[in-house]
Amino acid sequence: GAVVSQHPSWVICKSGTSVKIECRSLDFQATTMFWYRQFPKQSLMLMATSNEGSKATYEQGVEKDKFLINHASLTLSTLTVTSAHPEDSSFYICSARDQRRGEGEKLFFGSGTQLSVL
Amino acid sequence: DAKTTQPPSMDCAEGRAANLPCNHSTISGNEYVYWYRQIHSQGPQYIIHGLKNNETNEMASLIITEDRKSSTLILPHATLRDTAVYYCIANSGGSNYKLTFGKGTLLTVNP
Repeated sequence: GAVVSQHPSWVICKSGTSVKIECRSLDFQATTMFWYRQFPKQSLMLMATSNEGSKATYEQGVEKDKFLINHASLTLSTLTVTSAHPEDSSFYICSARDQRRGEGEKLFFGSGTQLSVL
Repeated sequence: DAKTTQPPSMDCAEGRAANLPCNHSTISGNEYVYWYRQIHSQGPQYIIHGLKNNETNEMASLIITEDRKSSTLILPHATLRDTAVYYCIANSGGSNYKLTFGKGTLLTVNP
């Protein structure tokens, strides 16, 4: 299957700082990427849809000024958590939509980023 | 997306087949059934998807009932590494492609 690389795997930061998470599709071009967050023992919650060359579409209740998404190229999307606070501590997961012929409509996921805000 | 219902947990003996059910009684004709799984503290992994016909790949088989109101994911010979949360999702794809995860089924494979 396709490979999606997410970096960093984990990050610890002080309250009030900003954290950037990168998501790269390594062997295919992804016009659409998705960002999820997951709290302990809960399911994945979709935060936003990232479209290459256009503004991201955020799910209801997700602050777009808090979670900045940039999808400047067909292989890279970034999520920046601005002015992070302890309640932003969570597991963040990106995914890329693979629309190549023969792959059908599949999502491939990164390995996730565990963010801890002190 | 049509709502899907899965049992919260299941157990299976190592080496035996694991059959994970999913109900999607309100599924529309153009919605696919997707299966993903998530091993603890990792990103989800694609398993299989189908529309009407049964599907098989190197990981699993997907059996969809004729009325498409339910499906079963089959892991033919479960191993300890198959212990994970399994998610069944219905989505029509195309411009509406956006996978929403429910609570899934925690499959525990026992030695």
